[in-house]
Amino acid sequence: AQSVSQHNHHVILSEAASLELGCNYSYGGTVNLFWYVQYPGQHLQLLLKYFSGDPLVKGIKGFEAEFIKSKFSFNLRKPSVQWSDTAEYFCAVNSGYSTLTFGKGTMLLVSP
Amino acid sequence: DTAVSQTPKYLVTQMGNDKSIKCEQNLGHDTMYWYKQDSKKFLKIMFSYNNKELIINETVPNRFSPKSPDKAHLNLHINSLELGDSAVYFCASSQSAPRGNSPLHFGNGTRLTVT
Repeated sequence: AQSVSQHNHHVILSEAASLELGCNYSYGGTVNLFWYVQYPGQHLQLLLKYFSGDPLVKGIKGFEAEFIKSKFSFNLRKPSVQWSDTAEYFCAVNSGYSTLTFGKGTMLLVSP
Repeated sequence: DTAVSQTPKYLVTQMGNDKSIKCEQNLGHDTMYWYKQDSKKFLKIMFSYNNKELIINETVPNRFSPKSPDKAHLNLHINSLELGDSAVYFCASSQSAPRGNSPLHFGNGTRLTVT
């Protein structure tokens, strides 16, 4: 079965710090990759997705992610975080053989 | 103009009761889902329907029964509620089938508390 690992359960940063959240998946074939964000008390929203083409994808709110096939990774980055980025971030993966599998999430707390 | 709407937002009930959660999407999507998010925020798929047909049924107790009267609606009925059913239940929809590359659009969730 496919699995998704998010390395950090909690990340605490000050405003303007740079962010990188790790995501690794287990399936070796063609995959579709997603990052979702869940603000406190809200539903999940799509930040960005990758399924082909340029492995560096840009999403909403200044987020980007890089797909590195050799490392089975899809890390999320933002050069300068804001207090409003405080949220839970979920990496998710599916393929032609498996439905969307979510990582366990990373809680990001940005202090003003 | 909510794309995926589910009701109720909060549901508090006693063990043994039967309850339903309703979900509707106005995006014209073919596929709908129910996800369960536990207290540790872990999201796990429960069911998926494509054009009213059940296509994914994960290892969920048969006390949980989804019903899709049409492709815009997917309701979840839960019989004989147990304490362990307490969680946030999210409805979602997507344009393509579950193994495609269309992202999921989520509803606002239903926080179920079983006492």
